[in-house]
Amino acid sequence: SQKIEQNSEALNIQEGKTATLTCNYTNYSPAYLQWYRQDPGRGPVFLLLIRENEKEKRKERLKVTFDTTLKQSLFHITASQPADSATYLCALDSTGTASKLTFGTGTRLQVTL
Amino acid sequence: DTGVSQDPRHKITKRGQNVTFRCDPISEHNRLYWYRQTLGQGPEFLTYFQNEAQLEKSRLLSDRFSAERPKGSFSTLEIQRTEQGDSAMYLCASSRDSGNEKLFFGSGTQLSVL
Repeated sequence: SQKIEQNSEALNIQEGKTATLTCNYTNYSPAYLQWYRQDPGRGPVFLLLIRENEKEKRKERLKVTFDTTLKQSLFHITASQPADSATYLCALDSTGTASKLTFGTGTRLQVTL
Repeated sequence: DTGVSQDPRHKITKRGQNVTFRCDPISEHNRLYWYRQTLGQGPEFLTYFQNEAQLEKSRLLSDRFSAERPKGSFSTLEIQRTEQGDSAMYLCASSRDSGNEKLFFGSGTQLSVL
């Protein structure tokens, strides 16, 4: 069956360090993968989209990699700040038509001073 | 761009009652989605509209659930004869009709069924 796995354990890092979150998937051939941020009691907010033919995408302090051979995406936040504390969700399009995203369970990031 | 608006933000109801939620998408977005999220889980797809046409429904959407988007603008999600297992955050999202597009989510409606 199709599965998206994100580390369910919270990730605690110190301010200024690089946070790396992992998204692994099985039995998918996604055309692209997206990352979202979600704060408590709020809806997810889109961060980055990376396509299957792209290895890496950057946006300010954010970097996403996509390895379709390993079936894995890594999400990096450099120079992390306490304001980066949130849950980060990866999402795959399972239909190829962008009509339905399937989300992972998310990883909670806590950045401390 | 006023964002996706959902109403109400919170709803407490008794088991067996019917509830209806409303979603107003971003005005120029053709696509509208409903997701459900429980604590510690990611959002789960429920259904999707392209303009007023409901094009896909998840198996999670039992007969007690119905969604409409009558004029291709706002949408409603109704749950009939609510059960305690329906307690969740119901999220609405919208996007442009060009594929591979990011979703813009509302803040959700938190439903508690007592």
